[in-house]
Amino acid sequence: AQKVTQAQTEISVVEKEDVTLDCVYETRDTTYYLFWYKQPPSGELVFLIRRNSFDEQNEISGRYSWNFQKSTSSFNFTITASQVVDSAVYFCALSEAGGGSEKLVFGKGTKLTVNP
Amino acid sequence: DTAVSQTPKYLVTQMGNDKSIKCEQNLGHDTMYWYKQDSKKFLKIMFSYNNKELIINETVPNRFSPKSPDKAHLNLHINSLELGDSAVYFCASSLRQTNEKLFFGSGTQLSVL
Repeated sequence: AQKVTQAQTEISVVEKEDVTLDCVYETRDTTYYLFWYKQPPSGELVFLIRRNSFDEQNEISGRYSWNFQKSTSSFNFTITASQVVDSAVYFCALSEAGGGSEKLVFGKGTKLTVNP
Repeated sequence: DTAVSQTPKYLVTQMGNDKSIKCEQNLGHDTMYWYKQDSKKFLKIMFSYNNKELIINETVPNRFSPKSPDKAHLNLHINSLELGDSAVYFCASSLRQTNEKLFFGSGTQLSVL
């Protein structure tokens, strides 16, 4: 069964610090997809990234970067030079491929607070 | 235009009542979902529909009944509400049912008193 673990429940940093949010996943499939979503205090869920299991290249988008390592079943998310607006709950999620009944399984989320 | 809209945003009701949450997407997506987020922020899928056909029913009590009149709409009806049903319910949609990113509605905060 698929499972996502975000061991960090809460992280607090000061603005401009770099912060890494950890995500470890479990799956028996060789084809799967990993996601990160952001949930700011306003409550909506915002898509950040989708990665398939065959693409281990790291990705950078502005201050955001993602490190996908199949060897350790991890898909970590780093925010460089954090800002107060980055304060949110961040969810890592996993979807296994095939069968037409794919479902997105979320980790429990990491609450990031960026203090001025 | 809001891509995935759900109403109402807040729903406060008494135990035992029946209530509905409506969801509509204007993205032309084939697949729609209901997710439940509990007080600890844990998000769990409840149902998914693809082109009006139920695909996933994730061990949800049968007091919860989704209805999809067309592929742009997925409503959630809840009978005999219980205290434990209090949560935020999110509707979402995706282009297809195969591992596409989800577009979420803004959520419905349900409080059962």
